[in-house]
Amino acid sequence: EDQVTQSPEALRLQEGESSSLNCSYTVSGLRGLFWYRQDPGKGPEFLFTLYSAGEEKEKERLKATLTKKESFLHITAPKPEDSATYLCAVQGYGGYNKLIFGAGTRLAVHP
Amino acid sequence: DAGVTQSPTHLIKTRGQQVTLRCSPKSGHDTVSWYQQALGQGPQFIFQYYEEEERQRGNFPDRFSGHQFPNYSSELNVNALLLGDSALYLCASSFGPGRVTDYNSPLHFGNGTRLTVT
Repeated sequence: EDQVTQSPEALRLQEGESSSLNCSYTVSGLRGLFWYRQDPGKGPEFLFTLYSAGEEKEKERLKATLTKKESFLHITAPKPEDSATYLCAVQGYGGYNKLIFGAGTRLAVHP
Repeated sequence: DAGVTQSPTHLIKTRGQQVTLRCSPKSGHDTVSWYQQALGQGPQFIFQYYEEEERQRGNFPDRFSGHQFPNYSSELNVNALLLGDSALYLCASSFGPGRVTDYNSPLHFGNGTRLTVT
C-alpha cells in the first residue's frame, strides 16, 4: 500500500535559521512526488513536482530533493512569511493524479 | 484567471442529514478530484471525475457520491452524515489524462468547504 510519512510533525525556527523537512515514502512505482504549502483556512498551494531520484528543484528560499525512498524540503534563511504547513504527496501507478498525502509538517518561523 | 472555487465555505449539519458541496474547476481544467482533510491530517482522496464519469475512488463508503456537469463543475454529496464526517472538503482540478503530454499535471486546490456535523 502506498504510504507517506513526514517528519517532524512541527518545527519552530528563528528567522534566518535554515533547516530541512523530511518525507519518506513507499509506493508501487513512483510517477511523481509533490510538495504543497497550506496556510490556515486555505487549500494546498502547489510548490514542486519531482520525478526521479537525484532531481532537485528550487523556488526562492525552498529547495526540494528526491532519493529513491525520501524527499527533503530545505528551507534556507526562512522568514516569518514561510510559516505554514508543508505537505508531501506521491502519485504511483495506481491512478491518474490520485495523490497520497502525508500528515504534513507545521512550520513556525519567529522573528 | 479564476482558480478553483468552492461553495459554501462553511456548513453546519446535524447527524443523519444530507449535504451537497459544489466546485468549479480552474479555467481550462476538465478533471475534478475531491479530498477530505481531517484536522491535523493530510488530504485523503475520495474520488475523481473526468468526462462526467467517476474514474477513480478512494476508501470511502457509498454514502459519498458525486457528479460532474458538462461545464466540468462538480458536486460532492454525503448522505446520512456522521460526526466523523466533520472535516475540510477540498476540490482539486487538473487537465485530464488525454490532454497533457506531462502525465503529472499538478492539482490546483480550492480553499475548501469546512463541514461541521453536530
